[in-house]
Amino acid sequence: AQRVTQPEKLLSVFKGAPVELKCNYSYSGSPELFWYVQYSRQRLQLLLRHISRESIKGFTADLNKGETSFHLKKPFAQEEDSAMYYCALGGLQKLVFGTGTRLLVSP
Amino acid sequence: EPEVTQTPSHQVTQMGQEVILRCVPISNHLYFYWYRQILGQKVEFLVSFYNNEISEKSEIFDDQFSVERPDGSNFTLKIRSTKLEDSAMYFCASSVSRGGSGDTQYFGPGTRLTVL
Repeated sequence: AQRVTQPEKLLSVFKGAPVELKCNYSYSGSPELFWYVQYSRQRLQLLLRHISRESIKGFTADLNKGETSFHLKKPFAQEEDSAMYYCALGGLQKLVFGTGTRLLVSP
Repeated sequence: EPEVTQTPSHQVTQMGQEVILRCVPISNHLYFYWYRQILGQKVEFLVSFYNNEISEKSEIFDDQFSVERPDGSNFTLKIRSTKLEDSAMYFCASSVSRGGSGDTQYFGPGTRLTVL
């Protein structure tokens, strides 16, 4: 069965601190992993996906097939990063989402 | 930049009534999806639609649900007889394709459905 696990409901950090939002997945096929972000009162929007290997807004994520993980990292958090972050598994005819992690960056 | 739009933003209905949620996908996209998010829970897949047919549906998408693309622009989700547990945020999404770089799903702002 396909499953995405985000173990932290809330991650609270101070501005300038490093951030790591954890994501683990379970999928027997070839996974496509995404991070979506939802800022307050805005729609879900794609932050990054593993096949593009980009850095968006300073965030990066590396797919580790051995550990079945796709953790999202940023070396120096900014207040504007405060949002809900969802890890999602694709490569299917749908996205399977994790429960999300709320990132709160305090000044 | 083109966006997926959804109407209405909030729908209140009585239990047992029919509701139709509307979505306008991005114009050159070929794959369409509905998801829902019950308050406090994760976003769950309902159905995917391509070439005027359902491609895949989840176990949530039972006989009370149907989807339609009545014209070249709209994509609708109908709930025939709403139940209290249908109260949720419903998201529409669309993508260019199912594989490669084109399968990024773009989401609408959602319709909040409240069943009383």
